[in-house]
Amino acid sequence: AQSVTQLGSHVSVSEGALVLLRCNYSSSVPPYLFWYVQYPNQGLQLLLKYTTGATLVKGINGFEAEFKKSETSFHLTKPSAHMSDAAEYFCAVRNPSSGGGADGLTFGKGTHLIIQP
Amino acid sequence: GAVVSQHPSRVICKSGTSVKIECRSLDFQATTMFWYRQFPKQSLMLMATSNEGSKATYEQGVEKDKFLINHASLTLSTLTVTSAHPEDSSFYICSVPTGANYGYTFGSGTRLTVV
Repeated sequence: AQSVTQLGSHVSVSEGALVLLRCNYSSSVPPYLFWYVQYPNQGLQLLLKYTTGATLVKGINGFEAEFKKSETSFHLTKPSAHMSDAAEYFCAVRNPSSGGGADGLTFGKGTHLIIQP
Repeated sequence: GAVVSQHPSRVICKSGTSVKIECRSLDFQATTMFWYRQFPKQSLMLMATSNEGSKATYEQGVEKDKFLINHASLTLSTLTVTSAHPEDSSFYICSVPTGANYGYTFGSGTRLTVV
């Protein structure tokens, strides 16, 4: 079974400070990991994903994440926060189909990022 | 990139009525689409997997008779909430697996309010 734990339902940082959003996962298959951002009343936008290859993944808007198998983690970082980064962030892991179809995603509970001016 | 259109974006309906939500893949043929539900300040929960030309696969605890899914073509899946009740009020989001390497494109969501 797949599961995702996001530590901290709310994270507050000052504008210009480092952003660190934590994600730990559990997966019975080789994990494919994702970070999505959601603005109020909108769908999800992919920030970045890890499937195979390089464990440090760079995404959009200056975000990056590192897959650490030994720690079962996929934490999201950004060196310098911007006011526009304020949103809900979701970590997800692929959820293999039991019926042979396309894999779905299992999401964490989300972290609300607050940027202080 | 792929574009997924979801309609309506907001709907208010009376208790006991049915509501249909459409998810269209505008530039990508999708044999599979996913339907998620998101309660306020909570995560997305997979409700069902919509399969073109065959029955949808529902997650445990999701009532298939209440949430009817039809995947009529390679570009359209619909979710009908039947006999809606206030507890069905939620944000419903569809997702389309788009291409190789586990790309998923999400619709913009539908805010359903049952009064």
